[in-house]
Amino acid sequence: DTGVSQDPRHKITKRGQNVTFRCDPISEHNRLYWYRQTLGQGPEFLTYFQNEAQLEKSRLLSDRFSAERPKGSFSTLEIQRTEQGDSAMYLCASSSYLAGGLFSYNEQFFGPGTRLTVL
Amino acid sequence: TQLLEQSPQFLSIQEGENLTVYCNSSSVFSSLQWYRQEPGEGPVLLVTVVTGGEVKKLKRLTFQFGDARKDSSLHITAAQTGDTGLYLCAGSGYSTLTFGKGTMLLVSP
Repeated sequence: DTGVSQDPRHKITKRGQNVTFRCDPISEHNRLYWYRQTLGQGPEFLTYFQNEAQLEKSRLLSDRFSAERPKGSFSTLEIQRTEQGDSAMYLCASSSYLAGGLFSYNEQFFGPGTRLTVL
Repeated sequence: TQLLEQSPQFLSIQEGENLTVYCNSSSVFSSLQWYRQEPGEGPVLLVTVVTGGEVKKLKRLTFQFGDARKDSSLHITAAQTGDTGLYLCAGSGYSTLTFGKGTMLLVSP
């Protein structure tokens, strides 16, 4: 395992369908993040996990978006009732965080992304 | 809300030229990261700067963090076609990264 992997790399769906994306982080990393990137923009933070706990989810774009990391390893991001405005690149990143550490550089390593197109 | 402004938004140069791109914010960050992203791929981490005034060199790339830890620059010497890509800066908070919109660099032969 040399990096973060995401599956699928590309997804085309029709408006109203549900989609689920998977992310496998770097194996020794305990934090996992989801971002969304639209054309001409930098990645936009959505949510993150430390182990299996979802510590921040207020930035998820709507209640149609949800994420899980049930065993603290891989994670899934689900979008229900997709809309054309959901078309974007969905990026996953992971990092290593040490509890009690004086300082965390928060270096995040990204996967290749899943490109979603909603028709 | 912490915002990062990157400039220029787009830069087109010839191979061999030097260039500098900038990342500015009104907020102080605990650290700042630079990434390079190619079309259809995820961002790849280039460097992390932590200390105000810090300068880091990565071959032909020189990164500087401002004294007040609000701004940063990336200088590329003798650009090559392989440097083409989107350069993103990201400021680190406790748990999240705030990204700028990026500078799209095109290096032509």
